[in-house]
Amino acid sequence: NAGVTQTPKFRVLKTGQSMTLLCAQDMNHEYMYWYRQDPGMGLRLIHYSVGEGTTAKGEVPDGYNVSRLKKQNFLLGLESAAPSQTSVYFCASTPGYGGRYNEQFFGPGTRLTVL
Amino acid sequence: AQKVTQAQTEISVVEKEDVTLDCVYETRDTTYYLFWYKQPPSGELVFLIRRNSFDEQNEISGRYSWNFQKSTSSFNFTITASQVVDSAVYFCALKGMDSSYKLIFGSGTRLLVRP
Repeated sequence: NAGVTQTPKFRVLKTGQSMTLLCAQDMNHEYMYWYRQDPGMGLRLIHYSVGEGTTAKGEVPDGYNVSRLKKQNFLLGLESAAPSQTSVYFCASTPGYGGRYNEQFFGPGTRLTVL
Repeated sequence: AQKVTQAQTEISVVEKEDVTLDCVYETRDTTYYLFWYKQPPSGELVFLIRRNSFDEQNEISGRYSWNFQKSTSSFNFTITASQVVDSAVYFCALKGMDSSYKLIFGSGTRLLVRP
């Protein structure tokens, strides 16, 4: 199993450009999350999904949109990138069942710079 | 509201010293889970431990040990005989009974182990 994968690993954008970050998991997990990590602030939840076709806002959702059309994929979109969105983005998934039902499995991260 | 506080921003020790990383949490839930993650310089998040609120037994895993005290709302992490490879950022996280299974992270403690 590949676990949780993220595409791309690095990206540089200009202010106003758009892009989509892709998260994929092959563990049949129900729950998926997008976090951003900024220096000195830990990880903050942007959006999450509790199942295919569902999405919900987290702590810092402004400027981002998400979609979960397939259970294994969770897309994070930036419609008009701003320098304040320069960050490291982590995707995570959680089974929602079984012995490790609430443990989060993290992807390797995407480093995004907005100039 | 739920909150995790890691008051130690950075700690520097000399190899073989013992070091304790503090974690204080706030929650109104009677059932909750606490986690520790390690983020080495390579950037990925590595799961270390999960502890539920009903299990206050301390846990030891090799050089790592965790002290969970509900009376003080703390879940501290001790590394015995630290090694250079322990240098990383360590995050404490909390999951309450919210059905989203989302994690609330502390701001992290950067540990530097000098040879």
